[in-house]
Amino acid sequence: GAVVSQHPSWVICKSGTSVKIECRSLDFQATTMFWYRQFPKQSLMLMATSNEGSKATYEQGVEKDKFLINHASLTLSTLTVTSAHPEDSSFYICSARADALGNTEAFFGQGTRLTVV
Amino acid sequence: GENVEQHPSTLSVQEGDSAVIKCTYSDSASNYFPWYKQELGKGPQLIIDIRSNVGEKKDQRIAVTLNKTAKHFSLHITETQPEDSAVYFCAAAYSGGYQKVTFGTGTKLQVIP
Repeated sequence: GAVVSQHPSWVICKSGTSVKIECRSLDFQATTMFWYRQFPKQSLMLMATSNEGSKATYEQGVEKDKFLINHASLTLSTLTVTSAHPEDSSFYICSARADALGNTEAFFGQGTRLTVV
Repeated sequence: GENVEQHPSTLSVQEGDSAVIKCTYSDSASNYFPWYKQELGKGPQLIIDIRSNVGEKKDQRIAVTLNKTAKHFSLHITETQPEDSAVYFCAAAYSGGYQKVTFGTGTKLQVIP
């Protein structure tokens, strides 16, 4: 299957700082990318959906000013956690799909473990 | 919005036995049902999926069934092996628009050698 790569795999940051996570589709052009958050022993919760060149659509309860998403190209989306706090510590996972109409499989990245201290 | 329930939350089976995980969904518009395997510290990996125009799909030791009337779908793993141990998630989506995928709560499968 296609490859979606996230960077970094893990990051530790101080409370109050910002952290950027990258999600790249390595061998296909991702029309749509999704960002999920997963707390320990829990399911994946969709945070936002982004389409290349458009503003992201955030799920209810997700602060768009805190979780900045940029999908500036067909192969790269970034999630920036601004003014991070310990409660933002989580496993962040992106997925990417080639077809905006949902007719193709979405491929997941390997995830980024964020720890805010 | 869509709500996906998954049972059981944990499942232990002896190597070689079968494992069955069941899910229900709420939105009758959902027409795409993928299953993912997630190993510790990794992202989910698609293992099989089914669309609403079929009732069953099989891929070697893995099979999925779908009952659209009852809004039930199930994952069946036969001849389980220790490497099948992982967390499995069912999901539901509508493959129109931007296909937002709603995940189930997950099942931790342990295959005992």
